[in-house]
Amino acid sequence: DAGVTQSPTHLIKTRGQHVTLRCSPISGHKSVSWYQQVLGQGPQFIFQYYEKEERGRGNFPDRFSARQFPNYSSELNVNALLLGDSALYLCASPNPSGPTDTQYFGPGTRLTVL
Amino acid sequence: GESVGLHLPTLSVQEGDNSIINCAYSNSASDYFIWYKQESGKGPQFIIDIRSNMDKRQGQRVTVLLNKTVKHLSLQIAATQPGDSAVYFCAESTGFQKLVFGTGTRLLVSP
Repeated sequence: DAGVTQSPTHLIKTRGQHVTLRCSPISGHKSVSWYQQVLGQGPQFIFQYYEKEERGRGNFPDRFSARQFPNYSSELNVNALLLGDSALYLCASPNPSGPTDTQYFGPGTRLTVL
Repeated sequence: GESVGLHLPTLSVQEGDNSIINCAYSNSASDYFIWYKQESGKGPQFIIDIRSNMDKRQGQRVTVLLNKTVKHLSLQIAATQPGDSAVYFCAESTGFQKLVFGTGTRLLVSP
């Protein structure tokens, strides 16, 4: 079974641009969460989606938005990029056969803003 | 506010030693805790979890201890191997699948 998948693996943008990151949860699960991990720090919660509805939001500005599609894949969008948005963006989902609290992470998308 | 922190940023051990990584949490209402291992360039990998109604849980070569009185969590790795070298994070669950992470401890294992 495929785990959480993310694309692209790496991305370079310039300040002011917009970026879209993509994620597919573990097959069979309807929940996706997004985290931002700045170098040298632990991941920070951005969003959680379940059944295409936003169920939670972290302390991030409105430049960050997300959505979930009928197939439960998800996109994270960031507008008006700042240098400080450079980070590893992680997507996570529970395993359908395990506890729903347990989040399994994808490999991440490394975003560099120049 | 919620916070999960770690006492030591770097832990260096010799191969074959036992390693202990510590974590303090501040939200006494948290009821679920997870340890993750993160290797360079990869996403966090689930190691072991524990619920607040337990004080100890064992896995393969790993043990997690939870002390709710002092809000302290630890990860013990037996017979540490070079492949265990990574950054280890503790995380607490504060709601529906939202995790709060600490800053991490880097474990360096020397052969």
